[in-house]
Amino acid sequence: DSGVTQTPKHLITATGQRVTLRCSPRSGDLSVYWYQQSLDQGLQFLIQYYNGEERAKGNILERFSAQQFPDLHSELNLSSLELGDSALYFCASSVDGGGGELFFGEGSRLTVL
Amino acid sequence: QQPVQSPQAVILREGEDAVINCSSSKALYSVHWYRQKHGEAPVFLMILLKGGEQKGHDKISASFNEKKQQSSLYLTASQLSYSGTYFCGPYYGGSQGNLIFGKGTKLSVKP
Repeated sequence: DSGVTQTPKHLITATGQRVTLRCSPRSGDLSVYWYQQSLDQGLQFLIQYYNGEERAKGNILERFSAQQFPDLHSELNLSSLELGDSALYFCASSVDGGGGELFFGEGSRLTVL
Repeated sequence: QQPVQSPQAVILREGEDAVINCSSSKALYSVHWYRQKHGEAPVFLMILLKGGEQKGHDKISASFNEKKQQSSLYLTASQLSYSGTYFCGPYYGGSQGNLIFGKGTKLSVKP
């Protein structure tokens, strides 16, 4: 158990819909990362937050948005969903976002039908 | 600036050795290595910092050549439990604090 909690674990929805994925980092970790992993694909970096502020942005679509709240949990919002958005979305946390070890949650598997 | 990993896949028999390479086009501050077993989350193996440091984790070790902007992961006397996909994640430091992982190397260890 990494200490990072992601909900929901599984989500099935239809094209055009909007979903929110939630991540609670390990106690004491200030940085949260979001990654997308499609079938047999690598880990695509989406976005990183540090202590409530956006630190870095990767290949995140405009239909996707995220934020980190004062209690340090983070949410990834995916809207106008397309079939290609079906993937495993991982959240990871680290102590300071300064290159330290990442602890990954178990992921949220999104299926868009 | 996604790093390049090679090989993309490797199949080993138990007890054989393997090397996985990771190359970056930019200067690195450090390199992370993670292993992801099928259906599970990636798990941290080790971090290598600047200075050509070599680290070990059981029979898995790694090196980091900052001049060549490369890191290599060495798996010695492989075990069935080593099967999985290995990702390297360079850290460039400063405002580029995010980790962009390579596409991964799928390692299969057969009995």
